[in-house]
Amino acid sequence: AQSVAQPEDQVNVAEGNPLTVKCTYSVSGNPYLFWYVQYPNRGLQFLLKYITGDNLVKGSYGFEAEFNKSQTSFHLKKPSALVSDSALYFCAVRDNSGNTPLVFGKGTRLSVIA
Amino acid sequence: DAGVIQSPRHEVTEMGQEVTLRCKPISGHDYLFWYRQTMMRGLELLIYFNNNVPIDDSGMPEDRFSAKMPNASFSTLKIQPSEPRDSAVYFCASSFLSSSYNEQFFGPGTRLTVL
Repeated sequence: AQSVAQPEDQVNVAEGNPLTVKCTYSVSGNPYLFWYVQYPNRGLQFLLKYITGDNLVKGSYGFEAEFNKSQTSFHLKKPSALVSDSALYFCAVRDNSGNTPLVFGKGTRLSVIA
Repeated sequence: DAGVIQSPRHEVTEMGQEVTLRCKPISGHDYLFWYRQTMMRGLELLIYFNNNVPIDDSGMPEDRFSAKMPNASFSTLKIQPSEPRDSAVYFCASSFLSSSYNEQFFGPGTRLTVL
């Protein structure tokens, strides 16, 4: 069975500081990993994904994520946070064995303080 | 492309009433997903379809919930009778999953309040 853990319900960071939102996963095969962002009163928006290749994946709005197979992690990062980055962030995983739905984590609320 | 379209955006109803939520997926997508989001339980997958056929409805909470996809461009999620604990935001998402690593595209959601 696939699962995703986002250990932090809330992350607070000052504007201009680097941010990290943590995600660990469990799958039976090789993972396909995704990050989504949800702004207030909106649906989830795709940020980035890891399928294969370079462990550092770059996505929308300056975000990036690093795939670490040994630690089964896929942490989301940004070098310099903006107030507008404040939102709910979801990590999701699917294994590569078939057309199964994404399994989402519970989400981490990011607050960037000016 | 207009993206995934959901209607209504907001629904307020009284306990016991029937509620129907609607979704139009992105044209050409062959998978459609219904999710429910609450503060307590987060994002839950209710049911998903492939080529209009329900594949897994194990997430549907009770027999009061039903979903249909009569054609590739339309799906409904019905709750009958509705209860206050059904209050949540319901999302529809679609995906082109001929290759399994394609992302899902979400609609804006329907905020349901059952009084």
